[in-house]
Parts: sequence; structure tokens; C-alpha cells
Amino acid sequence: GAVVSQHPSRVICKSGTSVKIECRSLDFQATTMFWYRQFPKQSLMLMATSNEGSKATYEQGVEKDKFLINHASLTLSTLTVTSAHPEDSSFYICSATAELAGGFYNEQFFGPGTRLTVL
Amino acid sequence: RKEVEQDPGPFNVPEGATVAFNCTYSNSASQSFFWYRQDCRKEPKLLMSVYSSGNEDGRFTAQLNRASQYISLLIRDSKLSDSATYLCVVNLGNFNKFYFGSGTKLNVKP
Repeated sequence: GAVVSQHPSRVICKSGTSVKIECRSLDFQATTMFWYRQFPKQSLMLMATSNEGSKATYEQGVEKDKFLINHASLTLSTLTVTSAHPEDSSFYICSATAELAGGFYNEQFFGPGTRLTVL
Repeated sequence: RKEVEQDPGPFNVPEGATVAFNCTYSNSASQSFFWYRQDCRKEPKLLMSVYSSGNEDGRFTAQLNRASQYISLLIRDSKLSDSATYLCVVNLGNFNKFYFGSGTKLNVKP
């Protein structure tokens, strides 16, 4: 299957700092990338949908000024958590998908996730 | 109403048992269906796509019932390594929107 990498895998930072997470599709061009957050023992929560070259679409309740998403190419999307606070500590996972003929999308391929801890 | 609903479980079964999960979806325009498996503190990994004709992969069988808007996953001869959370995922096709169920937790006991 297709491979999606995420970097860093783990980050610990002080409150008030910004953290950038990279998501790359290594062997395919991703039409769309998604960013999720998952708190312990909870399900994945979609934060935003990102298409290359256009602004990300944020889910309700997700602050776009706090979670900056840049999707500069078909293989790279970044999520920047600005002015991180302890309540932002979570497992952040990206995924990528590609559009198939007829408007269908293939399955999502997930990155290994980034565990963020804000002190 | 949620787009995708799953019984959260947990399902506690002995090794060798057969276990089935169902997942219902609300939007009849849904076009693609998947089962993912997520281990604790790991990312979800695709288990299988679900086709209209149903599909089988070893001990795993997935079925789609469009009339009743549900998909199912059957696991035969459960192994300890099958213990995980199983996520049902539905895609709206042209809308490029994936909806995740909250997951069903499976514990396979020796």
C-alpha cells in the first residue's frame, strides 16, 4: 500500500511555543490530506481537510488561526499548532487520499501520528 | 444523527470464537466503505475495503447492505492478535468526505 510519513513522531514543548508537523505521501500524489486529532480512549476527530493549493476546510469548532494548515504540494501538508497550550496535547494523525476516475476516492492512508505534549 | 454509528463494545471473546460487528451509515449517497483497525496509540491501518458483492480475506469477511445501509465485518477463528479497535469508514464519493465510526473494541482472551 501507499506510504505516508509524519514528522516528528513525538514532540514535547513549552506552553506558548508553536509546533510544526509535516505529513508526506511518499510514493503517490495525494489529492487530499486530512488532519485528525485523537485524545486518549477517544475516536479520531477530523480537524480539517486540505487540498493542494487551496485553503483548508476546517471542521466546526476547530480554530483555523490556531491550527494553521499549509498544503504546498501534492505530497506535503503541514500543520502548525500556534501558541500551544497543555490542552492541545494530543495524538495528531494525518492521512492522504487520491482521486480515482469517476469521482471516487481510494482509501485513506494514515501517517504514523505525532504525539504532542505541551508542558 | 451521526453519519456512521458503531457499537463501541468492548466485545470480549475467547480465542477461536467468531465475532461480528455491524456499522450503520445515514447517507444513502455513500459510495465507498472501509474497515480499519487501530491498535492502542497507533494510527489506523486499512483492514479491507467493502464491496457491494462482499469480500473475504482469510478469516475476515466484509459485507455491504445498501438497502439497510449497513456494513458488517465477520472475524472467524479469533486470534489474540486480533485485539484492537475496528473502525468503520464511509466515503461520500464526489464530496470527498470520509466519515469515521467511533470504533468497536475487540478483546480476544486466551
